[in-house]
Amino acid sequence: EAGVAQSPRYKIIEKRQSVAFWCNPISGHATLYWYQQILGQGPKLLIQFQNNGVVDDSQLPKDRFSAERLKGVDSTLKIQPAKLEDSAVYLCASSLGGRAASTDTQYFGPGTRLTVL
Amino acid sequence: DQQVKQNSPSLSVQEGRISILNCDYTNSMFDYFLWYKKYPAEGPTFLISISSIKDKNEDGRFTVFLNKSAKHLSLHIVPSQPGDSAVYFCAGGKSNKLTFGGGTRVLVKP
Repeated sequence: EAGVAQSPRYKIIEKRQSVAFWCNPISGHATLYWYQQILGQGPKLLIQFQNNGVVDDSQLPKDRFSAERLKGVDSTLKIQPAKLEDSAVYLCASSLGGRAASTDTQYFGPGTRLTVL
Repeated sequence: DQQVKQNSPSLSVQEGRISILNCDYTNSMFDYFLWYKKYPAEGPTFLISISSIKDKNEDGRFTVFLNKSAKHLSLHIVPSQPGDSAVYFCAGGKSNKLTFGGGTRVLVKP
């Protein structure tokens, strides 16, 4: 079974530039998550999709971050414009969804390491 | 507001001995707790979970203990192996939403 795919793996940009990340979840997984992991911290949920609808985006800085999951499969996360404090690893995860929460394991992709100069 | 805390940033243990990782939480609403393991340049991988109504769950070399009155959980790895060297994250979960601690880096020495 193929895992969660993410691209690019690394990205370096200057502040005020724009950047986009792509995620392809495990086939058949209805729920997709984007996390931000700042160096030395644990992952922090940015947004959660159930199919192509947003379940939770309470921690997404909506003035500069946006995400979409068209057709309920792939997803993109965009930052525009980027700030220095956006330097982090952006992790995508997926889960089957529609199950008892404690058994709905989240599977993570390798992440995209973003450096903002 | 750190709802989940891992107060030990690192742990070093000899191969074959027990590794004990600790995690404290403040949010009583979590329905379940999980431990994830992360190697460099890879995403976290699920290790073991425990429902908030249980106090122990065991899976092979890994056992998670939950003390709800103390709002504390721990992960025991016995025996520790060099391949266990990684960063371990605990997380509290509710309605598929996970809140992670800051992680503990474990080094198992041969």
